Amino acid sequence: DTAVSQTPKYLVTQMGNDKSIKCEQNLGHDTMYWYKQDSKKFLKIMFSYNNKELIINETVPNRFSPKSPDKAHLNLHINSLELGDSAVYFCASTPRQGNNSPLHFGNGTRLTVT
Amino acid sequence: AQKVTQAQTEISVVEKEDVTLDCVYETRDTTYYLFWYKQPPSGELVFLIRRNSFDEQNEISGRYSWNFQKSTSSFNFTITASQVVDSAVYFCALSGVPTRQLTFGSGTQLTVLP
Repeated sequence: DTAVSQTPKYLVTQMGNDKSIKCEQNLGHDTMYWYKQDSKKFLKIMFSYNNKELIINETVPNRFSPKSPDKAHLNLHINSLELGDSAVYFCASTPRQGNNSPLHFGNGTRLTVT
Repeated sequence: AQKVTQAQTEISVVEKEDVTLDCVYETRDTTYYLFWYKQPPSGELVFLIRRNSFDEQNEISGRYSWNFQKSTSSFNFTITASQVVDSAVYFCALSGVPTRQLTFGSGTQLTVLP
């Protein structure tokens, strides 16, 4: 039943490690996103993919690399984790780029880097 | 560039009081969409409403109402007869055409006390 699902829900890791967050949507949407929510609750877009093609890539360190194996999946891989990467990461999807439909968000992945 | 300002960082009210959450936006797009999302303590992001820039009719949905005023670039959200379950962070967001990049405000933490 879950529309946009992210795994894991919680991720605790040490500085320098590499980790991945997975996202899958079963809504048939073409466009998927990654958002970062910092400790002050500020939400900022990181990446957007439309039909497996990268369309938005905000100023995000190269250590973050999105991967979209198909239009239902958008995974986020983070290399050499830093303390400042600690945040909640939200995956989201919309039917297609440009139609301004509401975002359907996953429940978030709380990443803690120690 | 787009900008969304939610000047109220935190608001506390007592149950059954009415409360208005302010949202002011800036955009150069002539066509744009405004959204409100709710983030309860459980952390998920829940879509509440979307308005386009050509529709200035106010909307009411149960205890929720929205006042869109293009002349003042505001899209305010009122909860009537607030309840403890309304306690959450509320985000206003803006999406322009054709960018379709959703810009969030910094959120307003609403606490409804019993």
